[in-house]
Amino acid sequence: DFQMTQSPSTLSASVGDRVIITCRASQSISRWLAWYQQKPGKAPKLLIYKTSTLENGVPSRFSGSGSGTEFTLTISSLQPDDFATYYCQNYHPLTFGGGTKVEIK
Amino acid sequence: QVQLVQSGAEVKKPGSSVKVSCKTSGGIFNSYAINWVRQAPGQGLEWMGGIITTVGRTNYAQKFQGRVTITADKSTSTAYMDLSSLRFEDTAVYYCAKEGAGPIVGSTSGAFDIWGQGTMVTVSS
Repeated sequence: DFQMTQSPSTLSASVGDRVIITCRASQSISRWLAWYQQKPGKAPKLLIYKTSTLENGVPSRFSGSGSGTEFTLTISSLQPDDFATYYCQNYHPLTFGGGTKVEIK
Repeated sequence: QVQLVQSGAEVKKPGSSVKVSCKTSGGIFNSYAINWVRQAPGQGLEWMGGIITTVGRTNYAQKFQGRVTITADKSTSTAYMDLSSLRFEDTAVYYCAKEGAGPIVGSTSGAFDIWGQGTMVTVSS
């Protein structure tokens, strides 16, 4: 079965930290990789699609990269509004990663 | 303004069915696929399936094949997700989500750029 594995599952960080979240696919995938941010009680919000394209209105401190089986979401300088859970998503087959909770250190 | 507005919370008995609606506005209905994603309490996101509204073609996750039916009503710009044979573990928030546009007309971005507000479905005896 195809799987997307995120790491870490929980990350403790401080405002201003550089944060990197990794998403690994169980087999090589194309660049149809997206990242979402979700806050409690809210629907997910699209941050990045096609591995590295920033969705309109998303701050430039968010960036995405990767290829093959390993992809990353980087937050260059963590802001108070960024404490949330992040999910990666592959399009073919459509699969979400298990999520990474970014919490206050 | 592009919006997806879902129907309200439901409480269902095990073995019954639930039908959740997703009304679109802003002229998007005939241009993009609508997908359904669920999230059990405290858990991650799980894709259930989607529909290309222009042609009514559906695609379902293997896990839900035979239990889920996604339809689209062009006259009301509304998509529906029908889940049958409900089990306690189907208790979750169900979201509809629109696929974004790709760089070529008619193509997809492969991601969900607009989401409904979610519908809580509780399966309880």
